[in-house]
Amino acid sequence: EAEVAQSPRYKITEKSQAVAFWCDPISGHATLYWYRQILGQGPELLVQFQDESVVDDSQLPKDRFSAERLKGVDSTLKIQPAELGDSAMYLCASSLGGTYVGGYETQYFGPGTRLLVL
Amino acid sequence: AQKVTQAQTEISVVEKEDVTLDCVYETRDTTYYLFWYKQPPSGELVFLIRRNSFDEQNEISGRYSWNFQKSTSSFNFTITASQVVDSAVYFCALSEAGDYGQNFVFGPGTRLSVLP
Repeated sequence: EAEVAQSPRYKITEKSQAVAFWCDPISGHATLYWYRQILGQGPELLVQFQDESVVDDSQLPKDRFSAERLKGVDSTLKIQPAELGDSAMYLCASSLGGTYVGGYETQYFGPGTRLLVL
Repeated sequence: AQKVTQAQTEISVVEKEDVTLDCVYETRDTTYYLFWYKQPPSGELVFLIRRNSFDEQNEISGRYSWNFQKSTSSFNFTITASQVVDSAVYFCALSEAGDYGQNFVFGPGTRLSVLP
């Protein structure tokens, strides 16, 4: 069964350091999402891609976060510099991506990266 | 604006009991979709069901059933004869058209503990 892959699964870093997370969506899925999930809360969308283009990054803290999906397949989310408040689970999801971007489609999630900033 | 409310933060039941997880949503759109996801301790969100706003028929899948009532803006989830493996956090989510494409919002989740 096709899955969304993410790495690393766990990351511990010190504040002010740079961290990067990688995501490989289900093959053929044009839409890719990055979410942040703080402990005890639901996931919150950070950025959405359709192929290599950013569709929505309105909730991405652009002063320290960046995301790219250069070839429209896998994606990298970076934080520089990391702050204590960035400790959370970072989830990647993908969906088929129809003619209407994201079009109410089911999103399939990867296992996530748990980030701890010390 | 949209909002998903899951009023039950935590629920504990004994194995084989039935349990219902509540979900209430807010939207001004006539076309929208509702979802339920399960998040076991491993962390991965597992898709359970997707339902569109025009289909109010209840659905049953094994021990799982869903009750969608547009009149009360609710999409409740019932597990019959619960098992220890059902222990997880369950999220209700709402999807509607946004300015940039799909607007997908999760509720805060309900933590279900099924005790042996």
